[in-house]
Parts: sequence; structure tokens; C-alpha cells
Amino acid sequence: AQTVTQSQPEMSVQEAETVTLSCTYDTSESDYYLFWYKQPPSRQMILVIRQEAYKQQNATENRFSVNFQKAAKSFSLKISDSQLGDAAMYFCAYRSANSGYALNFGKGTSLLVTP
Amino acid sequence: SQTIHQWPATLVQPVGSPLSLECTVEGTSNPNLYWYRQAAGRGLQLLFYSVGIGQISSEVPQNLSASRPQDRQFILSSKKLLLSDSGFYLCAWSEAPRKLLFGSGTQLSVL
Repeated sequence: AQTVTQSQPEMSVQEAETVTLSCTYDTSESDYYLFWYKQPPSRQMILVIRQEAYKQQNATENRFSVNFQKAAKSFSLKISDSQLGDAAMYFCAYRSANSGYALNFGKGTSLLVTP
Repeated sequence: SQTIHQWPATLVQPVGSPLSLECTVEGTSNPNLYWYRQAAGRGLQLLFYSVGIGQISSEVPQNLSASRPQDRQFILSSKKLLLSDSGFYLCAWSEAPRKLLFGSGTQLSVL
């Protein structure tokens, strides 16, 4: 089974600064999807960004971007110009494109944004 | 547009009592449906998933069961709750590998 590891239980960033959240995964597959989800205090899971493994270009969504290193099996999330509303738990997730249907999640990184 | 409804939002149940959590999806047909559980301070654990009516796959053996009586309805049940069943339960659906959307969740406290 694929495993997803988030090695940073907590991170802190000052407002307007940039922060990078780390994620590594273990798989023998070549075709898959990677996701970052945000879980604010409301506990609603919100999709932040996704990356298809077959795409070499890193995905970008406004202030959120990823650094996808397929050979290294690394998928980090960069948040630029951090805002107070970015404070949340962030989960990295893996999904096979060929078998199974569910996402495998990491244990999450708690992001604190300070004024 | 597609929406997912999950209820109740919070539930407090005594040990040994039954459980029924319901999830319905609107605006789509034949979705893949999932139940996840999030224990306090931890990540999400997949409990069940379904690719069609009456088709249920269990990822973790436990005290819970799931059913899909209709195309867009997914139910999580238990005959007798345990203390360890406490947690935050999330229903999710997808119709494509690149998209998974979640309901608002149910906080279950077993006392």
C-alpha cells in the first residue's frame, strides 16, 4: 500500500511570508495523483491543489504552488504571501490512477500564521 | 452543481448503542462514495468505499459497517458502539480520479 509521510507536525509563518510544507510518498506506480487538502477549524476538508504525476509542470493555484519531484517522490506545498486565513491543518494525499479509488492521507501539518 | 450532504453534524451516543450516519450526493450519478474517520489530532483513515449500489469494500476490520441502498446514498452503521468509535467521520465522493470532495463531517462522541 502507498504511504504518505508529512514530517512536520507543526509549522509557523509570519503573515505575508512564504512557507513550505513537506510531503513524501512511497509507491511503485508511475501514474497517480497527488493532492493537498486544507482543514480549517471548521474541519471542512478543502482541496487546495492537485498534481497529476504524468505532468512535469508544477501545479499552481494563486498563492499556492507545489514542487513535484517524481524521482524523489516528493510533493511539497509552498504558500506565498501567507494570510491569517491560511492557518489550518494541511494534509498531503496520494491516489492511484490505476487501481483502487481512495486517497491515502498523511498525518497532517498544523500551520500557524502569526501577525 | 454537485453537493454532498452529511448529517448529523454532532452526535453523542452511549457505549453499546446503535449508530446510523447518512450521506447523500446531489448533482451527479454513479459516484464513488467513501467514509473516512479522523481521530483526534490524527490524519484521515479510510473505512469504506463503494463504486455502486450494494457494492461495499472495507479497508479496516472494525465495529462498523456501511451500506449503499441507493445510487447517491451512503450509510455508516454500527449495532453496538465502542468508546474507540469516537471521532470525526467524513463522507466523500468522486466521479473522476482527480477529484474528491468531502461533506462537512459528523463529530461522534461515544460516552
